[in-house]
Amino acid sequence: GDSVTQMEGPVTLSEEAFLTINCTYTATGYPSLFWYVQYPGEGLQLLLKATKADDKGSNKGFEATYRKETTSFHLEKGSVQVSDSAVYFCALSDPGGGSYIPTFGRGTSLIVHP
Amino acid sequence: NAGVTQTPKFQVLKTGQSMTLQCAQDMNHEYMSWYRQDPGMGLRLIHYSVGAGITDQGEVPNGYNVSRSTTEDFPLRLLSAAPSQTSVYFCASSYIGQGRNTEAFFGQGTRLTVV
Repeated sequence: GDSVTQMEGPVTLSEEAFLTINCTYTATGYPSLFWYVQYPGEGLQLLLKATKADDKGSNKGFEATYRKETTSFHLEKGSVQVSDSAVYFCALSDPGGGSYIPTFGRGTSLIVHP
Repeated sequence: NAGVTQTPKFQVLKTGQSMTLQCAQDMNHEYMSWYRQDPGMGLRLIHYSVGAGITDQGEVPNGYNVSRSTTEDFPLRLLSAAPSQTSVYFCASSYIGQGRNTEAFFGQGTRLTVV
């Protein structure tokens, strides 16, 4: 079945540092890929998405590129802020493979210090 | 534009009690799902629905029931609460749009404690 693997956290960075959170996936079809963010005490909200190979999703300074050859969708940000502290989830949906409900990774906690 | 609404936000139950977590969406989405979130376990799928009258089990369905009588509502029932069901529960809805976009929209969560 479909699965998503992302790096374990927590990831601890100083403000203005570069961020990478790795995400790889397996899927039977041609999935759409997502990053969601969860701020403390809140539900998940979509951060960015990509629906085909080589697409780059971007939002709020975060970027991720759909790499079909390496089955990856790594999240990056050039300069993190304290307000970026949250849990980040990589996810896929695979309607072509019969999976209409998103499959999530385990989440990566990001802590940014001033 | 309410999106996905979950009630209650917090609940404490005694072992053996039953209750229903409510979830409603006003976006006419076909797909709805329930997840539980536990520390270190990420989001685990409990039950899901691909349309009114159609439900199926996810990864961790034991101890929970669902029904989908309308497109808007997808309640989750705990039949006989156990301490192992202490968790944060999230309801989500999604759809298939153009370009295979199946973005999910989440409620704010229900924090359940079973004592």
